[in-house]
Amino acid sequence: DAKTTQPPSMDCAEGRAANLPCNHSTISGNEYVYWYRQIHSQGPQYIIHGLKNNETNEMASLIITEDRKSSTLILPHATLRDTAVYYCIVRVAVSLSGGSNYKLTFGKGTLLTVNP
Amino acid sequence: DTAVSQTPKYLVTQMGNDKSIKCEQNLGHDTMYWYKQDSKKFLKIMFSYNNKELIINETVPNRFSPKSPDKAHLNLHINSLELGDSAVYFCASAGSGRGTQPQHFGDGTRLSIL
Repeated sequence: DAKTTQPPSMDCAEGRAANLPCNHSTISGNEYVYWYRQIHSQGPQYIIHGLKNNETNEMASLIITEDRKSSTLILPHATLRDTAVYYCIVRVAVSLSGGSNYKLTFGKGTLLTVNP
Repeated sequence: DTAVSQTPKYLVTQMGNDKSIKCEQNLGHDTMYWYKQDSKKFLKIMFSYNNKELIINETVPNRFSPKSPDKAHLNLHINSLELGDSAVYFCASAGSGRGTQPQHFGDGTRLSIL
């Protein structure tokens, strides 16, 4: 599995943008980058994913470098409820049939603390 | 409506007992998973079923046996519980097809072995 590296913790002021970096220098051409977060005592929550283009949805934006060796998750206006552990994951397919037959290998993630 | 629901939410039992955790998803997904999050907060995949067929089986003791009666349910039965089984167990599901459907997680079952 491609390994990801994230800072263990980050702080962000409420209302400001939170930029969470992730390195995945060994990523393969067909491997997607996924971001999940885990708020205390809850299950992981899907945020966004991408292959090589930048992506945006209602929760966040994902910026992937041209060489795909790193990415940044951007929460444009962080709130106190965004305090969580954020996981950057490279998705690995398990079988050749593609689709949902894949596994997520979670690392230690980044604890983002949004301060008032 | 809860998309992926697990029962029970908390489970406290003694070493040596046998217990089951149930998981149900109402998303119409074909694939379901079990993950374990230990005291160090690492999340590791245990099993994956696709249309009731076992797809992923990581290095998990034989005491753990997943059972999928239909594609909306994936239960986890654990025999002869040990202290090291204390953890939070998460169920997840994902859609099928040649897409990149994300996994949706339940809120976990907190298992404590006395």
